[in-house]
Amino acid sequence: DIVMTQSPDSLAVSLGERATINCKSSQSVLYSSDSKNYLAWYQHKPGQPPRLLIYWATTRESGVPDRFSGSGSGTDFTLTISSLQAEDVALYYCQQYYSSPPTFGGGTKVEI
Amino acid sequence: QVQLQESGPGLVKPSETLSLTCTVSGVSIRSNFWSWIRQPPGKGLEWLGCINYSGNTNYNVSLKSRLTMSVDTSKSQVSLKLTSVTAADTALYYCARGGKSYFSSWGLGTLVTVSS
Repeated sequence: DIVMTQSPDSLAVSLGERATINCKSSQSVLYSSDSKNYLAWYQHKPGQPPRLLIYWATTRESGVPDRFSGSGSGTDFTLTISSLQAEDVALYYCQQYYSSPPTFGGGTKVEI
Repeated sequence: QVQLQESGPGLVKPSETLSLTCTVSGVSIRSNFWSWIRQPPGKGLEWLGCINYSGNTNYNVSLKSRLTMSVDTSKSQVSLKLTSVTAADTALYYCARGGKSYFSSWGLGTLVTVSS
């Protein structure tokens, strides 16, 4: 199985400041035949279902604010919240779907 | 909008079978594969497997011998059965839209505790 490692485990960011979450996969999730990175990001708030934010490493899901952006390729990826809002306090997970089984990172807690 | 709701017993005895149902609304159950994902307390998310409307399944090999998924298109439901449970199967169980892919919608999850 591909192991996904997120860092940091938690981070505190001031309102309006940038938050950066890292995700590293144990092997490349870039599929050469379509040049796509099979990597997704989720946001999870208490009492709510997890929410898909980003797929194909950089594509924002419909309705996701543009302050959320994904970057990276191969084995190293980043989720950036450009200007943290109070409603962004949550757990964030990365997930690879390059190979079965799909696997998730351990999560990063973002706080104010 | 797409809604998924998990249901089932919150307490299962060791060695017995865990059975859960996910009811899908807001979208045709024929439109996607549907997955089960779980999260034990204090641990990470684990994909268990997926099923589509015609009953095609893919299971995580780590659970394949104990896991069965089924679909009832008339009720827009997918179901999970996990046999011979132990305390290690205690977890929050989620239903999600997607197969061996990203998951575009999730349920709230249902907590299952394995205890005598």
